Amino acid sequence: QAQLVQSGAEVKKPGASVKVSCIPSGYTFTNYIISWVRQAPGQGLEWLGWINIYSGNTKYAQKFQGRVTMTTDTSTNTAYMELKSLRSDDTAVYYCARGNRIMVRGATVSGHLDLWGQGTLITVSS
Amino acid sequence: DIVMTQSPDSLAVSLGERATINCKSSQSVLYSSNNKNYLAWFQQKPGQPPKLLIYWASTRESGVPDRFSGSGSGTDFTLTISSLQAEDVAIYFCQQYYNTPLTFGQGTKVEIK
Repeated sequence: QAQLVQSGAEVKKPGASVKVSCIPSGYTFTNYIISWVRQAPGQGLEWLGWINIYSGNTKYAQKFQGRVTMTTDTSTNTAYMELKSLRSDDTAVYYCARGNRIMVRGATVSGHLDLWGQGTLITVSS
Repeated sequence: DIVMTQSPDSLAVSLGERATINCKSSQSVLYSSNNKNYLAWFQQKPGQPPKLLIYWASTRESGVPDRFSGSGSGTDFTLTISSLQAEDVAIYFCQQYYNTPLTFGQGTKVEIK
């Protein structure tokens, strides 16, 4: 059974960085794109970006450009999301989610997000 | 960015009755080359990640009960729960994957009347 398992909750001080891991199992890692989505307490869902596991190409939401880095380690089948210069409003549950690779207007993009990790609570507090 | 707007924000429906949630996108999410709408619906229960219910606007994900259905095209979409069950109490989100950034509706909370 396919699943995504994320690293545990963390508490960080403002200005620090956090790196969340996402480990897939039960499917071929390189066949998919991993998106990262966050949800602040009691709020909606916000997409941070994605990484094409096969090519390593990334696409970030403009809001997070310069602060977020998404990487993979195919030797350990792990995807990572690092967010820097943390602020209190970065407090949220961060999810990784799988999407299949599809072609749209000549570009490889993510299809629907059919598998989600359990979420990682990141708390930013002084 | 494509803005997704859901209505209503919440609704209360009696057990066994129909629940209807609407989702409107600020621009079309229909790709003319393949006639597919890049629109998904998710269900989220407290303390859980979102669960995919519907993709391509109307294709039910494997294992999702057939009381859940999606319809619509272009900019206007609907999620229908034909006969509400107690386990359907949740927040429902629509999401477009036509363009980046991927964007979600604000969510609709479904409760039992």
